[in-house]
Amino acid sequence: DAGVTQSPTHLIKTRGQQVTLRCSPKSGHDTVSWYQQALGQGPQFIFQYYEEEERQRGNFPDRFSGHQYPNYSSELNVNALLLGDSALYLCASSSDGTGHEKLFFGSGTQLSVL
Amino acid sequence: AQKITQTQPGMFVQEKEAVTLDCTYDTSDQSYGLFWYKQPSSGEMIFLIYQGSYDEQNATEGRYSLNFQKARKSANLVISASQLGDSAMYFCAMREGWNTGNQFYFGTGTSLTVIP
Repeated sequence: DAGVTQSPTHLIKTRGQQVTLRCSPKSGHDTVSWYQQALGQGPQFIFQYYEEEERQRGNFPDRFSGHQYPNYSSELNVNALLLGDSALYLCASSSDGTGHEKLFFGSGTQLSVL
Repeated sequence: AQKITQTQPGMFVQEKEAVTLDCTYDTSDQSYGLFWYKQPSSGEMIFLIYQGSYDEQNATEGRYSLNFQKARKSANLVISASQLGDSAMYFCAMREGWNTGNQFYFGTGTSLTVIP
């Protein structure tokens, strides 16, 4: 049973460019969340997708956008990259429902903006 | 105010000894969940243990236990019989409410080093 998979593992971009990160959730999961983890910090919530819609969003600018496909896989897009966007981007999946479902995380995409 | 506070940036423990990692939280919700994750250098966040706000007993998962003190709003992780493979970053997290759409709030983490 594959867990959460993310691609690519590493990415180097320059300021002003655009980037797309990809995530496949764990089998059986229908909800995908994206988190940004800056160096030395805990993960910060970007947004969550469920039923192909953005369900909740954290305090991130509109440069950060996403998409969820019918097979539950998801993309994170960042436009007009800034140096401060350099971070580990983590995708997490879970099953929708009530209660305190834990998140299952991928290994992340390390984005460096030069 | 910070939702999750971890005041120990780094901790050292001797192999086979027990160690406690501190976590305090801030919420006005009555229903919430507390989680601990381990992050090795590979980057993946690995779930360790969960405690619900209505759970009366402290959670345990193998060598991990959660010392839940609701009145003090603390949820400390206890690792017994430390192993070299326990060396990693440890994050405390909280989800407020009962809706799985609600985000997780993470602390800044504690770096644990197990000494042989």
